[in-house]
Amino acid sequence: EAGVAQSPRYKIIEKRQSVAFWCNPISGHATLYWYQQILGQGPKLLIQFQNNGVVDDSQLPKDRFSAERLKGVDSTLKIQPAKLEDSAVYLCASSTFRDRSLGSPLHFGNGTRLTVT
Amino acid sequence: QKEVEQDPGPLSVPEGAIVSLNCTYSNSAFQYFMWYRQYSRKGPELLMYTYSSGNKEDGRFTAQVDKSSKYISLFIRDSQPSDSATYLCAMRFSGGYNKLIFGAGTRLAVHP
Repeated sequence: EAGVAQSPRYKIIEKRQSVAFWCNPISGHATLYWYQQILGQGPKLLIQFQNNGVVDDSQLPKDRFSAERLKGVDSTLKIQPAKLEDSAVYLCASSTFRDRSLGSPLHFGNGTRLTVT
Repeated sequence: QKEVEQDPGPLSVPEGAIVSLNCTYSNSAFQYFMWYRQYSRKGPELLMYTYSSGNKEDGRFTAQVDKSSKYISLFIRDSQPSDSATYLCAMRFSGGYNKLIFGAGTRLAVHP
């Protein structure tokens, strides 16, 4: 099966500019996640979609970050305006939706590396 | 205090060595424990997935969970240069929406 696709791979912007990232999950995966991974740290969940709906965005800085998932498939994550501390790798992941008590493995894309100068 | 603590390393070992990677956690409600491997400039990939306490073996990899100590481990036997990567522990609660909490990752280098 094809993996999770993300674009672009790299992006360099100046602070206060805006940027958008795109993700195409594995076909048939109902759940989509955006993670932020700052250098030297583990991934941190920003937002989780179940089909079209948001089920967790508790750690999303909503004053500058937004995300949407169109028709329950592709997703975009936007930052406007960017700050220096947003420099990180933005990882998209997807999973099937099985019994909540069992969960299911996350499949990650290779991420978008954002540098804010 | 972070929910999941992991020594960032780096850890450097010779080829063929046994590697031990560890994480501690503070929330006793975690039920599912995972180890992900992340190569440079790649996304994490799932290595091991265990539920509650006990051991799980898969080839050269063994995952151990000790819930009484809130401590999980990953052992790599006969380590190879291709094992050089960052190893991330992750855990989640039972139920909920499959939200994973990751450790910071341990960088491992296996030299020939």
